[in-house]
Amino acid sequence: QSALTQPASVSGSPGQSITISCTGSTRDVGGYNFVSWYQQFPGKAPKLIMYEVTNRPSGVPDRFSGSKSGNTASLTISGLQAEDEGDYYCSSYRSNSIVVFGGGTRLTVL
Amino acid sequence: QVQLVQSGAEVKKPGSSVKVSCKVSGGTFGSYALSWVRQAPGQGLEWMGGLIPIFETSNYAQKFQGRLTITADESTGTVHMELRGLRSEDAAVYYCASRIVVVVAATQSGNHYLYGLDIWGPGTTVTVSS
Repeated sequence: QSALTQPASVSGSPGQSITISCTGSTRDVGGYNFVSWYQQFPGKAPKLIMYEVTNRPSGVPDRFSGSKSGNTASLTISGLQAEDEGDYYCSSYRSNSIVVFGGGTRLTVL
Repeated sequence: QVQLVQSGAEVKKPGSSVKVSCKVSGGTFGSYALSWVRQAPGQGLEWMGGLIPIFETSNYAQKFQGRLTITADESTGTVHMELRGLRSEDAAVYYCASRIVVVVAATQSGNHYLYGLDIWGPGTTVTVSS
């Protein structure tokens, strides 16, 4: 069982917006602004797409945005594209220099 | 741009140990916090632990305490992950990942660091089979 809770799957049609939630506790998501999101395609290494809740690394489209409220962080993808289909993971800093992950969310573009 | 180059696939017997390496190229080795993350087949990501060579600091997920050792060779810019007492459930792809060191908090008992996972290696497959 993962430390952070994500929905197992989400889906949307091209052009729509979807949001993936990531729920933790005050020891991690709620206590620090060190939530990151990763995109992973089959057989590939994960790729960082959001860090410190709202920051996009260079090269990540601005269709991707992050937010946080209380113990829940969210990743929103607007203008969904077929190439966005894959697995998405959140992670958070947890007290005492630990990293915890969510269980991952499979995004299907219909 | 920093790149992480990992050692090749391993096949190990239950009860044995495996050592996987990750070489940092294109950056200043001492500036980074280096982590190991694994992914069992069809499963999610699991942070195992990390090392910050410049501060000679390591941190491990509780699950791996006593079975995992992460070390660094600063002369070659390489970090090593050794997992002992292998079990079938340790079969996974093992990734190294890095980020520039970030101090989250400075306390009387020592600093707390962020093991960011900005740059990822390609992964190393470890098979555990008798």
